[in-house]
Amino acid sequence: GQNIDQPTEMTATEGAIVQINCTYQTSGFNGLFWYQQHAGEAPTFLSYNVLDGLEEKGRFSSFLSRSKGYSYLLLKELQMKDSASYLCAVAAAAGNKLTFGGGTRVLVKP
Amino acid sequence: GAVVSQHPSWVICKSGTSVKIECRSLDFQATTMFWYRQFPKQSLMLMATSNEGSKATYEQGVEKDKFLINHASLTLSTLTVTSAHPEDSSFYICSARGASGLGETQYFGPGTRLLVL
Repeated sequence: GQNIDQPTEMTATEGAIVQINCTYQTSGFNGLFWYQQHAGEAPTFLSYNVLDGLEEKGRFSSFLSRSKGYSYLLLKELQMKDSASYLCAVAAAAGNKLTFGGGTRVLVKP
Repeated sequence: GAVVSQHPSWVICKSGTSVKIECRSLDFQATTMFWYRQFPKQSLMLMATSNEGSKATYEQGVEKDKFLINHASLTLSTLTVTSAHPEDSSFYICSARGASGLGETQYFGPGTRLLVL
């Protein structure tokens, strides 16, 4: 079966850094995704990791360790507009469906 | 690139009626489309996977006769909620995955909010 865990909520201050962790246990692995979802809107793609290491894309970075079944999304220089839910999702096999974690609601305070 | 549209964005209907939601990939051919449902403050729940030209694969607990999916072309999939009831009120989101070149990434439509009275 598939199991994906991430914290339910996190609060951080504008300008700070927040790290959202995601651990997974899946029967196979073909990549891990991070999506951002604002309330009432559809998810938007942030990052895709299939090899170990850090992928940096502007203020957002995503890290993957396949041996540990672990990923994190790092948000730097937080802005108020970053307040959203962040969804971790795993593709168990090529061409397969994504399994989503419960999402982490991030609240950025002034 | 990789734009997915959904129509309509909002639907309010009476109990017992059927509602059709369209999902289109605008600038790529979507070999696979996915339909999700999301209740307030919850994560996405996959309802079904549809591949162009073949029958959809439904997740456990999703009634295929109630949620009819048609993926007639590489750019269009439709979800029909038949005989809708208030408990079907939810946020329905489709996503599309293209052929090689876009990898495994799924791109989401803007969602359709359904309210059944």
